[in-house]
Amino acid sequence: DSGVTQTPKHLITATGQRVTLRCSPRSGDLSVYWYQQSLDQGLQFLIQYYNGEERAKGNILERFSAQQFPDLHSELNLSSLELGDSALYFCASSGQLQNTEAFFGQGTRLTVV
Amino acid sequence: DAKTTQPNSMESNEEEPVHLPCNHSTISGTDYIHWYRQLPSQGPEYVIHGLTSNVNNRMASLAIAEDRKSSTLILHRATLRDAAVYYCILRVDFGNEKLTFGTGTRLTIIP
Repeated sequence: DSGVTQTPKHLITATGQRVTLRCSPRSGDLSVYWYQQSLDQGLQFLIQYYNGEERAKGNILERFSAQQFPDLHSELNLSSLELGDSALYFCASSGQLQNTEAFFGQGTRLTVV
Repeated sequence: DAKTTQPNSMESNEEEPVHLPCNHSTISGTDYIHWYRQLPSQGPEYVIHGLTSNVNNRMASLAIAEDRKSSTLILHRATLRDAAVYYCILRVDFGNEKLTFGTGTRLTIIP
């Protein structure tokens, strides 16, 4: 158990819909990262938050947004969903220094039909 | 982002040591070398990290070249549960410390 909790584990929704993925980081970790992994693809960095503020942005579509709340949990909002958005979405948390490890959740598998 | 190069795939026999190489010729002085692995249908799992000196933990050892342009992850006695994709990643300065995953090395363990 990494200590990072993601909900829901599975999500099936229709094209055009909006969903929210939730991540609770490890206790004490201020940084949260979101990644997308499509079938047989690599892990694509989407966005990072540090103590409530956006710190880095990767290949995140404009239809996607995220936020980190005062209790440090984070949500990734995906809207106007397309078939190609079907993927595993992972959340990770870590301390702020580059010599600390990151811990990943088990992911949310999103299927858009 | 600083880039790493790894072989696409490797095979090893069960209970034999495994040496997974990684080249990072553009590494800067403050970049940490991190290794993660991803088992099928699971999130990535931290393995080990280091800066300059060789590192050991319960999972593996990390051997870092003196010029830091390459490193090797060593699994001392591979088991079937070690079959995974292994990622070598450079974690850069504070403020840009996200982990950028490449394609990694797919390790197959032969019983």
